[in-house]
Amino acid sequence: GESVGLHLPTLSVQEGDNSIINCAYSNSASDYFIWYKQESGKGPQFIIDIRSNMDKRQGQRVTVLLNKTVKHLSLQIAATQPGDSAVYFCAEKDPGDYKLSFGAGTTVTVRA
Amino acid sequence: EAGVAQSPRYKIIEKRQSVAFWCNPISGHATLYWYQQILGQGPKLLIQFQNNGVVDDSQLPKDRFSAERLKGVDSTLKIQPAKLEDSAVYLCASSPQGQVGSPLHFGNGTRLTVT
Repeated sequence: GESVGLHLPTLSVQEGDNSIINCAYSNSASDYFIWYKQESGKGPQFIIDIRSNMDKRQGQRVTVLLNKTVKHLSLQIAATQPGDSAVYFCAEKDPGDYKLSFGAGTTVTVRA
Repeated sequence: EAGVAQSPRYKIIEKRQSVAFWCNPISGHATLYWYQQILGQGPKLLIQFQNNGVVDDSQLPKDRFSAERLKGVDSTLKIQPAKLEDSAVYLCASSPQGQVGSPLHFGNGTRLTVT
């Protein structure tokens, strides 16, 4: 996906606050979306996913919201912790195959 | 379950040399991907295998990159000859076959530096 307007390349958050990371995706036909977390020196790690027939999904401390009307995806992290510092990528899956296209990423820094 | 294994972790070569990366996917995962991640960017798909067949290699620079997945399990990605712009992290990922809505599982990648 690509980011338009709402995407911020960096986000600084106070420990304990909630974080909101935004992503605008490019393909209106995409049927599956994933958020990944990537720490330095590691591969992307799955956080949460959502299918296009849903508009909200909750996990442990994380919530993903999908707005298909404006092609917008967001990740909310509750009570942000130092271990949440990482780069976060949204990815969309092309319908009919299993290819993922990644957005530009948002670097989240948690302040103590 | 064991994750996606990649080796080596780091590789430094001079331009015009060749290099190969190895990937062992999660057991039972039929789909395997190679992604290239340039510093500061999101991963970009190079090639996708379904078992030992290529599904998508449209973004693979075929004049210098090649990949194979013998027997539908392990895979190797080769670059010959390397260019400076090939400096990146090469990520391997796998996912189960036929499961739309199944996330990709990534290895920790091989960091390639071309000097």
